[in-house]
Amino acid sequence: DSGVTQTPKHLITATGQRVTLRCSPRSGDLSVYWYQQSLDQGLQFLIQYYNGEERAKGNILERFSAQQFPDLHSELNLSSLELGDSALYFCASSVEPVRGIYNEQFFGPGTRLTVL
Amino acid sequence: SQKIEQNSEALNIQEGKTATLTCNYTNYSPAYLQWYRQDPGRGPVFLLLIRENEKEKRKERLKVTFDTTLKQSLFHITASQPADSATYLCALLNRDDKIIFGKGTRLHILP
Repeated sequence: DSGVTQTPKHLITATGQRVTLRCSPRSGDLSVYWYQQSLDQGLQFLIQYYNGEERAKGNILERFSAQQFPDLHSELNLSSLELGDSALYFCASSVEPVRGIYNEQFFGPGTRLTVL
Repeated sequence: SQKIEQNSEALNIQEGKTATLTCNYTNYSPAYLQWYRQDPGRGPVFLLLIRENEKEKRKERLKVTFDTTLKQSLFHITASQPADSATYLCALLNRDDKIIFGKGTRLHILP
């Protein structure tokens, strides 16, 4: 158990809909990362938040957005869903990073999103 | 173009032998390179991290090398065991703070 929790575990929805995925980082971790994993693309970095602020942005679509709240939990919002958005979505957290110094990430169990 | 590549084919190794996995990258300038283990349906688990100015890192039966000239990292598991069977991912942290993962190599340790 990494200490990172994600809800829900599974989500089935239809094209065009909007969903919210939730992540609670390990106690004491200020950074949260979101990833998308599909069979053909592998693990894709979407976005990182540090203590409520966006720190780095990866291959995140404009239909997707995220935020980190004062209690440090994070939410990933996916809208206008398409079939191709079906994937595993992982959240990870790490201790307070100092720019230039990297700390290991602890991954949650993931949310499996199926868009029908 | 920028690429990070791992062997897409599965690697079959006899129990007790050393498994060596390769990670090559192109047009990145990573400050760090990491290796993760991922079991089916689960999140990746961090194994080792190596910095750009380090040549080698060890942890128990695991060893990672990092050659910034060759733009390659090698990941070794010595005295391999069936429990080591999993997918192994390499990931680099680029200087723009973006993290890029390879697609992973599936490792099967045969009893």
